[in-house]
Amino acid sequence: AQKVTQAQTEISVVEKEDVTLDCVYETRDTTYYLFWYKQPPSGELVFLIRRNSFDEQNEISGRYSWNFQKSTSSFNFTITASQVVDSAVYFCALSTPNQGGKLIFGQGTELSVKP
Amino acid sequence: DAGVIQSPRHEVTEMGQEVTLRCKPISGHDYLFWYRQTMMRGLELLIYFNNNVPIDDSGMPEDRFSAKMPNASFSTLKIQPSEPRDSAVYFCASSFFGVSTDTQYFGPGTRLTVL
Repeated sequence: AQKVTQAQTEISVVEKEDVTLDCVYETRDTTYYLFWYKQPPSGELVFLIRRNSFDEQNEISGRYSWNFQKSTSSFNFTITASQVVDSAVYFCALSTPNQGGKLIFGQGTELSVKP
Repeated sequence: DAGVIQSPRHEVTEMGQEVTLRCKPISGHDYLFWYRQTMMRGLELLIYFNNNVPIDDSGMPEDRFSAKMPNASFSTLKIQPSEPRDSAVYFCASSFFGVSTDTQYFGPGTRLTVL
């Protein structure tokens, strides 16, 4: 069965702090894809990143970075020098070709960045 | 280029009424997905289409729900009759192309309230 676990329900930090959002996934497929989406208070779902199972290189995009480790089935997301505008719910998701591309979402982590 | 368009953005109706949600995918995308977001169940896939053909509707909660995609630029999700437990945010997403696990881009969602 496919499953995504985001154990942190809520995180609160002060602006400029670094914060890491955890994501652990389960799948028996060798080919799979991992995603992060951001849902700001306005409610839309914004795509942040997509990784495939054959690419374990970490990725950095501005203040955002992602650490993919197959050995621990984790795909963690770090925001460096957080800002108030980063306040949102962040979702990790998994899809596999065997599941027809259906996204399996974690429960989300609500990040609150206080000034 | 316009993103995924959904209408209406908000819908308030009374129990027993028919509700129709609409979605226009990104031009050129050949996959279309309908998701529902609730506090209890999180984000869950209801149904998805490939080239206008329904592929997997196993997530549709019951016969009261139906979805159609008459052409590549339009899809509807209908609830008849609606019930209070259908209250949720309904998202439409689209993706391209043959690899079904390509990135899904989401619309702004329709917030449905059934009284």
